[in-house]
Amino acid sequence: QITLKESGPTQVKPTQTLTLTCTFSGFSLTSSSVGVGWIRQPPGKTLEWLALIYGDDDKRYNPSLKSRLTITKDTSKNQVVLTLTNMDHVDTATYYCSHFPRFDSWGQGTLVTVSS
Amino acid sequence: QSELTQPPSASGTPGQRVTISCSGSRSNIASNTVNWYQQLPGTAPKLLIYNSIKRPSGIPDRFSGSKSGTSASLAISGLQSEDEADYYCGTWDDSLNGYVFGTGTKVTV
Repeated sequence: QITLKESGPTQVKPTQTLTLTCTFSGFSLTSSSVGVGWIRQPPGKTLEWLALIYGDDDKRYNPSLKSRLTITKDTSKNQVVLTLTNMDHVDTATYYCSHFPRFDSWGQGTLVTVSS
Repeated sequence: QSELTQPPSASGTPGQRVTISCSGSRSNIASNTVNWYQQLPGTAPKLLIYNSIKRPSGIPDRFSGSKSGTSASLAISGLQSEDEADYYCGTWDDSLNGYVFGTGTKVTV
C-alpha cells in the first residue's frame, strides 16, 4: 500500500522560502519510471502541477514557476523535498505530494498560508 | 491558465448519466493518455480513471472514460448522491514537458 504525507510550515511571510517534505512508503523511488510530484490547489480553485522528480533523479518543473522551484529526493529516508522561493499571497494553497506516473496515491495535503 | 478545458458544472438526478468533457490539444491529450480524478469536499483528489479508459481497483464500473483526438470524456452512469464532487482530467503535455490538469467540473446530484 502506497502512502504519502506532506509536512512543513502552515504559514510563511511574503518573500520567505517555503520548504515542504513528502514522506512516503510502499514504493521505492529508484526507478526511472516512478516519481513523486507536487501539486497545489488555492482555496476554491483548480489543481496546479508544480514539480516532479523521478527515481533516476530526473526533474521536471512547471515552466511558469521554474525559477522559484527546487525538488530533491533523499532515497534513504524515502523523502522528497520541495522548495518555493519568494512566497507571495497568491501562493496560499493546499500543497499535495503524489505518486507518479498516474498520481494514483496522494497525501492528505497541507494548507500553507502566506501572510505578514 | 490550464491547458485542459472542462465545463465548470454538470448536474443530474439520481440514476441519470452525466458526461464531462476535457478539451486539450495535440501536445497533450492527442499525444498521451488521460487520467481522471475525483475530489470530494475537503479531501485529496482520488484517481478514478487512468490510461484514458481503465479503472483502478475498487472504482465502480459506473465510471468510464474515453478519448478521441484532442478531447477526452468521463461518464458517470447511475448517478448517486455520493458522486457529488469536483472532477479533474489530467495528462502529460509534451510542449510544456510537464503535467497539466483540467479546469475542473463540479458535479451536483
